[in-house]
Amino acid sequence: DAGVIQSPRHEVTEMGQEVTLRCKPISGHDYLFWYRQTMMRGLELLIYFNNNVPIDDSGMPEDRFSAKMPNASFSTLKIQPSEPRDSAVYFCASTPGLFVGVTEAFFGQGTRLTVV
Amino acid sequence: AQSVTQLDSHVSVSEGTPVLLRCNYSSSYSPSLFWYVQHPNKGLQLLLKYTSAATLVKGINGFEAEFKKSETSFHLTKPSAHMSDAAEYFCVVSAGDYKLSFGAGTTVTVRA
Repeated sequence: DAGVIQSPRHEVTEMGQEVTLRCKPISGHDYLFWYRQTMMRGLELLIYFNNNVPIDDSGMPEDRFSAKMPNASFSTLKIQPSEPRDSAVYFCASTPGLFVGVTEAFFGQGTRLTVV
Repeated sequence: AQSVTQLDSHVSVSEGTPVLLRCNYSSSYSPSLFWYVQHPNKGLQLLLKYTSAATLVKGINGFEAEFKKSETSFHLTKPSAHMSDAAEYFCVVSAGDYKLSFGAGTTVTVRA
């Protein structure tokens, strides 16, 4: 398997524009997570899905953020409208089960978003 | 509730010398503990994980960590640092649900 695949790797956009980040999880993984990494706040969980259903979105910062998982192999994180404070690295991760036993999270390479 | 404290924000070592990255955790339940490494502009890669099978855990690239329940610690060590070990390291704890709590990270610099 190629691992968790995220696109684009880098995104530069102007304030007010819509931004869509994409993620393809590892095949067979039932859980998908979106994280945001900033210098100030470190790694934060934004939302996670189980079997394509959003389970906990309490980490989504505001209504400008939305996430979808239309099928088991694809998820999007959308920011509309984008603001400079959204600049961060966004990671997608997947796992076959919750974090018990030998389960671990597999992370994508991340998308570095810059909003100017 | 669970949390992680990485005691050093930055560690600098000479190539060939030991590396020690310190991590303390708190968890209401029997925790799962992980160390991840992040090289510049890269994603997070799992180094090793503790899941109650053995207190001394061996990982990739010569790293190992020891789980000490009495001290609530999970320190990461490597006997001999290599230049390629320069990266940021995260200690992570899970109480067995979907939440991963990340430490603030330790940046490792390796001097030639």
